[in-house]
Amino acid sequence: EAGVTQFPSHSVIEKGQTVTLRCDPISGHDNLYWYRRVMGKEIKFLLHFVKESKQDESGMPNNRFLAERTGGTYSTLKVQPAELEDSGVYFCASSQVSEQYFGPGTRLTVT
Amino acid sequence: KQEVTQIPAALSVPEGENLVLNCSFTDSAIYNLQWFRQDPGKGLTSLLLIQSSQREQTSGRLNASLDKSSGRSTLYIAASQPGDSATYLCAVSYPSGGGADGLTFGKGTHLIIQP
Repeated sequence: EAGVTQFPSHSVIEKGQTVTLRCDPISGHDNLYWYRRVMGKEIKFLLHFVKESKQDESGMPNNRFLAERTGGTYSTLKVQPAELEDSGVYFCASSQVSEQYFGPGTRLTVT
Repeated sequence: KQEVTQIPAALSVPEGENLVLNCSFTDSAIYNLQWFRQDPGKGLTSLLLIQSSQREQTSGRLNASLDKSSGRSTLYIAASQPGDSATYLCAVSYPSGGGADGLTFGKGTHLIIQP
């Protein structure tokens, strides 16, 4: 069974540009989560989908971040326009009931 | 505000030793607690999940205990090996809409096992 996959693995963009991160959860997992780790800090929760609906988006930093989950399958996280402080590793996780399984992360560098 | 604290921040021990990693959380009304390991440049690997109604879980040389009333969990690693070297993360979730909300993570314990 394939695990959680994320694309791209790395992205380097300039301040002001737009970046879209993609997450494919484990097949059959209704719950999908986005997290972020910025340099030197702990991993922080961003938002939680249940199927295609946003269950909790209390961790989203501001309105430059937009997450979608079309048809309750894969999810995208768009940052527009990117700022320097958005640099970090973005993780996606999915779960069927309780245990969350994480993807390898996307390392985003904003210059 | 929910917080998770992990002690120690770093630990270096000789191969073969048994060791204990500690995790504490401020709000004891958790839904579950998960221990992960993270290798450099890699994602998180789930090691053990303890539901709020459970006291411990075991997997191979790993044993995790949970004392919800005191807001503490420990991860016990028996007979440590160099391959156990990694960062170990503790995370808790709280009830939300019949399930669990997003995880709140500690900063981790960076473990080095010396050959």
